[in-house]
Amino acid sequence: AQRVTQPEKLLSVFKGAPVELKCNYSYSGSPELFWYVQYSRQRLQLLLRHISRESIKGFTADLNKGETSFHLKKPFAQEEDSAMYYCALSPRETSGSRLTFGEGTQLTVNP
Amino acid sequence: GAGVSQSPSNKVTEKGKDVELRCDPISGHTALYWYRQSLGQGLEFLIYFQGNSAPDKSGLPSDRFSAERTGGSVSTLTIQRTQQEDSAVYLCASRTGGNTGELFFGEGSRLTVL
Repeated sequence: AQRVTQPEKLLSVFKGAPVELKCNYSYSGSPELFWYVQYSRQRLQLLLRHISRESIKGFTADLNKGETSFHLKKPFAQEEDSAMYYCALSPRETSGSRLTFGEGTQLTVNP
Repeated sequence: GAGVSQSPSNKVTEKGKDVELRCDPISGHTALYWYRQSLGQGLEFLIYFQGNSAPDKSGLPSDRFSAERTGGSVSTLTIQRTQQEDSAVYLCASRTGGNTGELFFGEGSRLTVL
């Protein structure tokens, strides 16, 4: 079974402060990890995936297999980063399968 | 179309009635997913289609829920004898066949059961 846990439902920081959204996963095989974001009144969209090792909008996430974590980080938060963030996992070895999401973290960046 | 399209965007129904929610995925996307989004519950997986078949329907919460996909394109999620706990936003998403591909979401169908 696969499981994704986001321990913080709400996270509030001030503009310019560093932000870290936590994600832990449970999966016995080889996972693909993703972060999806939903801005106010917009549809859910991909922010980044670990396989790409990219930085999007200043956000990065590193897969730590030892700690089974995929935390999302940004050194200087901006007000436009306020949104709901979901961590998600997909099994790499199974061709075509579900993407399992965490419960989400609502990030608020205050001015 | 340009993106995943869902209809209706809003549906209010009375307890006990049946509802149908429609999803039109991005052309050429073979994989189609249904999720349910509730306050405090995150995104709950319901069912996954590859082409017209559903290899994983384990997330359907009860036998009142069913889904089908025809022509490898449009999918319909049907909820029979709706209950108040069925109230949620139902999201559809599609992607090309691999596990690493981006999931493209629709705007959702908000269902309210009175």
